Amino acid sequence: EPEVTQTPSHQVTQMGQEVILRCVPISNHLYFYWYRQILGQKVEFLVSFYNNEISEKSEIFDDQFSVERPDGSNFTLKIRSTKLEDSAMYFCASSDVSREMYEQYFGPGTRLTVT
Amino acid sequence: GDSVTQMEGPVTLSEEAFLTINCTYTATGYPSLFWYVQYPGEGLQLLLKATKADDKGSNKGFEATYRKETTSFHLEKGSVQVSDSAVYFCALAPDSNYQLIWGAGTKLIIKP
Repeated sequence: EPEVTQTPSHQVTQMGQEVILRCVPISNHLYFYWYRQILGQKVEFLVSFYNNEISEKSEIFDDQFSVERPDGSNFTLKIRSTKLEDSAMYFCASSDVSREMYEQYFGPGTRLTVT
Repeated sequence: GDSVTQMEGPVTLSEEAFLTINCTYTATGYPSLFWYVQYPGEGLQLLLKATKADDKGSNKGFEATYRKETTSFHLEKGSVQVSDSAVYFCALAPDSNYQLIWGAGTKLIIKP
């Protein structure tokens, strides 16, 4: 069964450094999403992406965040200058526009630790 | 704004016990409702969904009914197994966008 994959599974970085989290959505899906979950808190929506542009973004998704679809398979989340409070589990998801778009399929997550 | 509230865990049950995990929501319009499950070390998996009032979602023996009058979407299973041990998340999708809004998650522990 097709699945969303994410790399790396765990990323440790120093405060102020740039990180890129990578996702490979399910191949025929057209909507892509990033969510994050700070330890002990709720999962939070960051951004959705369709047709090579951002569809929606939350207040969390400020200027230090960006997303890109650099090729036909990858979907990336970049954090330009990481802060301690960016430490979280980041989940990528995708959905198929020909079915109900709410049925989002999630990857296993990348645990980001900022020291 | 829209929100989801679910019962705090952990919930500890013996195998073959009946399970209920409560979920209530606040939303305008007609949201879609979901239960996701996260097994240890894995990602978030869609367990079941309901897109309109009185719909019942079901999968793997789990059920939940979309109750608009009580704004609830409680998860139930008649006889749990050790393999059901996981964290269960209730979520909603507002009818105006595709952002999923999540409950805090309920950890379920099933003892043999």
